[in-house]
Amino acid sequence: KNQVEQSPQSLIILEGKNCTLQCNYTVSPFSNLRWYKQDTGRGPVSLTIMTFSENTKSNGRYTATLDADTKQSSLHITASQLSDSASYICVVSLRTSYDKVIFGPGTSLSVIP
Amino acid sequence: DADVTQTPRNRITKTGKRIMLECSQTKGHDRMYWYRQDPGLGLRLIYYSFDVKDINKGEISDGYSVSRQAQAKFSLSLESAIPNQTALYFCATSEPGQVSSYNEQFFGPGTRLTVL
Repeated sequence: KNQVEQSPQSLIILEGKNCTLQCNYTVSPFSNLRWYKQDTGRGPVSLTIMTFSENTKSNGRYTATLDADTKQSSLHITASQLSDSASYICVVSLRTSYDKVIFGPGTSLSVIP
Repeated sequence: DADVTQTPRNRITKTGKRIMLECSQTKGHDRMYWYRQDPGLGLRLIYYSFDVKDINKGEISDGYSVSRQAQAKFSLSLESAIPNQTALYFCATSEPGQVSSYNEQFFGPGTRLTVL
């Protein structure tokens, strides 16, 4: 069964601290993996994309890693800011005739002063 | 101006009523999608359309119907709303063919629907 799991479900950290969010997937055939950020009351917005051959990708203070062998990805946030408070969604795409995607349930991150 | 817009943003209705949620986009994308989001669950695909003449069911299409009126407009209807359709609904668009943006979907702001 094609599935995407994320941990933790929620996380509270102090402003300025780092954190790492996890994503495990059982999706085949794998095409690519994206991390989306969803602010409260808004639609998700793409942060990074990684294909099978890529194992790391950065976007400012966000760094995503991918281990295609173990089917795991992580999103590391450095020097967190209050504006990082959001839900982070891991999305895996299948290599099929159309762009089928599987969404994870998301990790809710709260950054507090 | 927002690239993907949804109306209404919030709607409260009663069981059995017919509801239409509308989505418009100015991105010029051919592909459009409707999702619902429930607490603790990932976004689930209701319907998708790859062009004006193409409509496809997603994983949870029962109880919903769609209309693709133009490249820029994709509407979702609940013919007879029921309480378990209470959720956050998102419209999204995408454009294939560009490797760097492959599968990136651009989401609207969402419609919060409550069925009493």
